Amino acid sequence: SQQGEEDPQALSIQEGENATMNCSYKTSINNLQWYRQNSGRGLVHLILIRSNEREKHSGRLRVTLDTSKKSSSLLITASRAADTASYFCATSFYNQGGKLIFGQGTELSVKP
Amino acid sequence: EAGVAQSPRYKIIEKRQSVAFWCNPISGHATLYWYQQILGQGPKLLIQFQNNGVVDDSQLPKDRFSAERLKGVDSTLKIQPAKLEDSAVYLCASSSWLGLNTEAFFGQGTRLTVV
Repeated sequence: SQQGEEDPQALSIQEGENATMNCSYKTSINNLQWYRQNSGRGLVHLILIRSNEREKHSGRLRVTLDTSKKSSSLLITASRAADTASYFCATSFYNQGGKLIFGQGTELSVKP
Repeated sequence: EAGVAQSPRYKIIEKRQSVAFWCNPISGHATLYWYQQILGQGPKLLIQFQNNGVVDDSQLPKDRFSAERLKGVDSTLKIQPAKLEDSAVYLCASSSWLGLNTEAFFGQGTRLTVV
């Protein structure tokens, strides 16, 4: 079964706007990761946040983690048409050898 | 650094036939994953190897799917016999050490169509 639930399932915005995607999970994690997938391609790692971290930045990406609510959010600022892709959160668990479980994803469309 | 290599990129087979996918992970990566991704869904973990040992195969349909990682490097995933619902993209990924606090690197995937 999938661990992460992502919200929204689909998001359509204009270039220059910010995009926010949310991920909720069920059990305690070691870390949470975000990946991007362009149509027909493999997944590309974006950012990893550990369970003892609350916020992390990478370029135009900002990730937050709230372990008390078992949720994370990915913010893409000043979006570009090239950001159009599916975004997935993935959780890694304690005592499970790095097992990496993906959510169902958010499909982001950025219109020029 | 070379990425994760997968072959073939595409495969079309009839139901009840068998098929095999091959994956060559990034050199030195001990952890290897196989995922199944059905259109419109997130990747589903089928099996995870640490070197040549299986860490998790709880979601692998063992009556028809098998996987091996001989010598802890390359891996093959086999389906025999295939069903229509096996149509999906099969993704291979690797990471450097047990996957704890390290990212996974993905191949381009093999798109399987069962007709």
